[in-house]
Amino acid sequence: AIRMTQSPSSLSASTGDRVTITCRASQGISSSLAWYQQKPGKAPKLLIYAASTLQSGVPSRFSGSGSGTDFTLTISCLQSEDFATYYCQQYYSYPPFTFGPGTKVDIK
Amino acid sequence: EVQLVESGGGLVQPGGSLRLSCAASGFTFSSYAMHWVRQAPGKGLEYVSAISSNGDNTYYANSVKGRFTISRDNSKSTLYLQMGSLRAEDTAVYYCARDALGAYNWFDPWGQGTLVTVSS
Repeated sequence: AIRMTQSPSSLSASTGDRVTITCRASQGISSSLAWYQQKPGKAPKLLIYAASTLQSGVPSRFSGSGSGTDFTLTISCLQSEDFATYYCQQYYSYPPFTFGPGTKVDIK
Repeated sequence: EVQLVESGGGLVQPGGSLRLSCAASGFTFSSYAMHWVRQAPGKGLEYVSAISSNGDNTYYANSVKGRFTISRDNSKSTLYLQMGSLRAEDTAVYYCARDALGAYNWFDPWGQGTLVTVSS
């Protein structure tokens, strides 16, 4: 199975900051990568699919890039509602559809 | 509105059984593969099981293989997860999720989750 790693595992940031989260696959997955946001007590919410396509309704401050094995999620100007945990997921080699371990973004 | 609503969670003793349900609405259920994902308290997301749109193909994570059975009733727009020989490590919130495009893509939407607690 393809293994997904994320870095950092957590970060502290302030409102207005630019935040970048990295996701790496153990082998090439083309652009078959999704990003999800999860807030405490809530279900994950799709943000980005196909590595860089923004899901309808997701603010444009979120962006994704990458292909192959290395991917990034960027929040250009962090808002208070963006404090959450972010997960990447590959869907290139399935099943299983493996998730990264998550990156928690909290308030500095 | 596309919606998934899980039910059936609760407290069960080790070695016991439980059946989770996921009621779908707002889309043609029979056209989409479906998935179960779980999250242990304070932990990340773990992929559990998948079923194809017609139910012919299923997948299980090694951690649940032989103990869990995924199924669906397309006439009722409902997904199931029959859980047996439950262990403490199966304690988690269980989410059902729809395959976004029908077969083996990203997941959208997700249900709200149902908590399963395995404890004596």
